[in-house]
Amino acid sequence: GAGVSQSPSNKVTEKGKDVELRCDPISGHTALYWYRQSLGQGLEFLIYFQGNSAPDKSGLPSDRFSAERTGGSVSTLTIQRTQQEDSAVYLCASSSGGPSTDTQYFGPGTRLTVL
Amino acid sequence: AQSVTQLDSHVSVSEGTPVLLRCNYSSSYSPSLFWYVQHPNKGLQLLLKYTSAATLVKGINGFEAEFKKSETSFHLTKPSAHMSDAAEYFCVVSLKAAGNKLTFGGGTRVLVKP
Repeated sequence: GAGVSQSPSNKVTEKGKDVELRCDPISGHTALYWYRQSLGQGLEFLIYFQGNSAPDKSGLPSDRFSAERTGGSVSTLTIQRTQQEDSAVYLCASSSGGPSTDTQYFGPGTRLTVL
Repeated sequence: AQSVTQLDSHVSVSEGTPVLLRCNYSSSYSPSLFWYVQHPNKGLQLLLKYTSAATLVKGINGFEAEFKKSETSFHLTKPSAHMSDAAEYFCVVSLKAAGNKLTFGGGTRVLVKP
């Protein structure tokens, strides 16, 4: 079946511009996660959605970052007024969100370059 | 709080020889532990996971890992390396109580020499 998909695969933007990154989770998965992979910080958690619950935003690095998940499926990560330190690969993952520990399946990522 | 330390940032092995990737974790509660692999320009793929069942976990592509609570370790091994094993490997910990958010180690890049 289809895995997690992300778009665009690459995004180059100028400092100060806003960007939107999209994630399509595996159909039926109720849990969705965003992570960031950068040279300086490695892989780090950003935000987590579980069903209709309020998202866990504890990993967002600043208020320039926000995310939403419409209809319990597709998610968009928005970065406002991008800075060069935002350059990274942004990874989305989804899981079935059951009561036990579930495997997270990752998308291929969006490589963001801020000039 | 939870954390993961991968003891080697780079490992170089010859094809056909054993591979050992070392991982130590810190967690206040009983964690779940994973190993993920990332090939160049590819997404993260799950190799195996430990979730408080058998302490020796077998994964894909001949990899296995052993959970040792007394040593807080979860080392990844493979008896015989293949050229296709060249990739970056991440040891990961999660806690159900924390929404299963993943905490990643710094990664170990594996080079396989012919």
